[in-house]
Amino acid sequence: DIQMTQSPSSLSASVGDRVTITCRTSQDINIYLNWYQQKPGKAPNLLIYAASSLQSGVPSRFSGSGSGTDFTLTISSLQPEDFATYHCQQSYHIPRTFGQGTKVEIK
Amino acid sequence: QVQLEESGPGLVEPSQTLSLTCSVSGDSINSGGYYWNWIRQHPGKGLEWIGNIYYSGSTYYNPSLKSRITMSLDTSKNQFSLKLSSVTAADTAVYYCAREVVRGRYFDRWGQGTLATVSS
Repeated sequence: DIQMTQSPSSLSASVGDRVTITCRTSQDINIYLNWYQQKPGKAPNLLIYAASSLQSGVPSRFSGSGSGTDFTLTISSLQPEDFATYHCQQSYHIPRTFGQGTKVEIK
Repeated sequence: QVQLEESGPGLVEPSQTLSLTCSVSGDSINSGGYYWNWIRQHPGKGLEWIGNIYYSGSTYYNPSLKSRITMSLDTSKNQFSLKLSSVTAADTAVYYCAREVVRGRYFDRWGQGTLATVSS
């Protein structure tokens, strides 16, 4: 299985901050990396697919980058509704695997 | 607007079989172009992919669960199902069904999730 390592596991930030979350994979996955946002008690919601493509309807303050084994999700200016947990997921191989999640909390 | 909704018993006894159904509206599971998936999340933990099924009936399962999983389609009801046998407390989780775009390989629609608790 492809192992996914997200960092940090949690962070505290203020509204307006720039936030960066990283995801590292145990092997080269090209650009087959997706990012999801999950709020408490809700299902995950797709933000970014293929490492850097913004899902329709997702605000442009979210962006993704990377290829190979190192990927980044950036929120350019954190908004109150962005406090949530973020998951990366690889779709290069079966089984699909996810990172352990990064919880973004209010500072 | 495509919607997915999980259903099934909230409580299952140890060693029994957990059976869940995902009802799809707004799209036909026969239309091709999508895999239909099950994903679970243990309380307070990350996400674990269980497996998927294509409209042809072909399946991919997580090797860690493969010996206990059966997935199937009911095209007449536009539903797909999961059976997980020989459950233990470690199978207590929120179970999600999700649609995966074949070409893009991402989960673009999710059900709201259903909590399945294994307990006597």
